Amino acid sequence: GDSVTQMEGPVTLSEEAFLTINCTYTATGYPSLFWYVQYPGEGLQLLLKATKADDKGSNKGFEATYRKETTSFHLEKGSVQVSDSAVYFCALREGAQKLVFGQGTRLTINP
Amino acid sequence: DGGITQSPKYLFRKEGQNVTLSCEQNLNHDAMYWYRQDPGQGLRLIYYSQIVNDFQKGDIAEGYSVSREKKESFPLTVTSAQKNPTAFYLCASGVRTRIGTLEGYTFGSGTRLTVV
Repeated sequence: GDSVTQMEGPVTLSEEAFLTINCTYTATGYPSLFWYVQYPGEGLQLLLKATKADDKGSNKGFEATYRKETTSFHLEKGSVQVSDSAVYFCALREGAQKLVFGQGTRLTINP
Repeated sequence: DGGITQSPKYLFRKEGQNVTLSCEQNLNHDAMYWYRQDPGQGLRLIYYSQIVNDFQKGDIAEGYSVSREKKESFPLTVTSAQKNPTAFYLCASGVRTRIGTLEGYTFGSGTRLTVV
């Protein structure tokens, strides 16, 4: 079946640092790709998505570009804040009916 | 405001007991899902339902059961057959495009189940 692999965490950065969280996928065809964020004790929230190759999803300063050549969807942010501390999940749509998630990457931003 | 409500937020169960986790949505979504979250393992699909009175097993359905009698409700029962039930359980509903393909999920805030 389809699968998603994320870089292992935890990731710890200082405020205003540049962030990259790597995500690669294995799938049949070109599925829609997503990044979700989970704050402590809460459910997941959609951060951004891309539905086809070369699309760039963006939200709240975060960006990710759908790269079919490298089967990747890396999450980036130019200047992180303490409030960005959370767990980030990469996901793909498998078939038409459900999402498959990566294992999550815990991000901690220190002031 | 529309959303998904999971209850209770925390649940304690004695070994050998069945417990039911509630999930209610007022988003008018047809599809609903249950995931289990364990540290370092991401989200694993337990059961999902595309329509009322129909549901399918996910990757880790053993020891769990569900029902879908109403569009708004998709309760999950953790039975005594589930060997390691302590986890964080997340319910989601599916957002669809006009042509019916899944566009993404809306999640509830989760239920943390602990076996004591």
